[in-house]
Amino acid sequence: DADVTQTPRNRITKTGKRIMLECSQTKGHDRMYWYRQDPGLGLRLIYYSFDVKDINKGEISDGYSVSRQAQAKFSLSLESAIPNQTALYFCATSDPGTGGGYTFGSGTRLTVV
Amino acid sequence: AQSVTQPDIHITVSEGASLELRCNYSYGATPYLFWYVQSPGQGLQLLLKYFSGDTLVQGIKGFEAEFKRSQSSFNLRKPSVHWSDAAEYFCAVGASLSGNQFYFGTGTSLTVIP
Repeated sequence: DADVTQTPRNRITKTGKRIMLECSQTKGHDRMYWYRQDPGLGLRLIYYSFDVKDINKGEISDGYSVSRQAQAKFSLSLESAIPNQTALYFCATSDPGTGGGYTFGSGTRLTVV
Repeated sequence: AQSVTQPDIHITVSEGASLELRCNYSYGATPYLFWYVQSPGQGLQLLLKYFSGDTLVQGIKGFEAEFKRSQSSFNLRKPSVHWSDAAEYFCAVGASLSGNQFYFGTGTSLTVIP
């Protein structure tokens, strides 16, 4: 099993629909992150969580919400999807105590039509 | 504020040739620096990282990077490129391991020609 699993891998949804992207990790790390990747823009942070009771906004949190259901699970929701939220979404986890760096999931490709 | 610049959007090299991908960062103190590789349809994989000590760091897949404080650079190198190295490469910088996040560059796409 992958260290960080994202579901679904691909999703097409309609404008205005609510959608949830899920992430689970088996690394046992406290820190989890959601990024989106757009061509030419690199990765931008949406939300991050340093433990189950800690949720923080990143640089582009508008239009998104998150839930940290457990240490291993961190889900991202689009309450009312819009076309400019079409992107590749990555979940990641990290542990500063073991040298930093992220372990990424394989990504969810979301298309909003 | 921290930032990362990868000046080259796309690079093409011949198989067997040497490679250098550029990364410049903006940060006042000693940064934490990373290089990641993203193969098509995959997530990002950590190639190497620099925290302190020896400024030349070795990573996986035969890659190395050199931290040059005077130039605010952390360029990635490989002596001989293989076709399987074709991918997108991202440089990232963070203020500390316990900081909020790491900032990513916009990436450099590498094409390897036979």
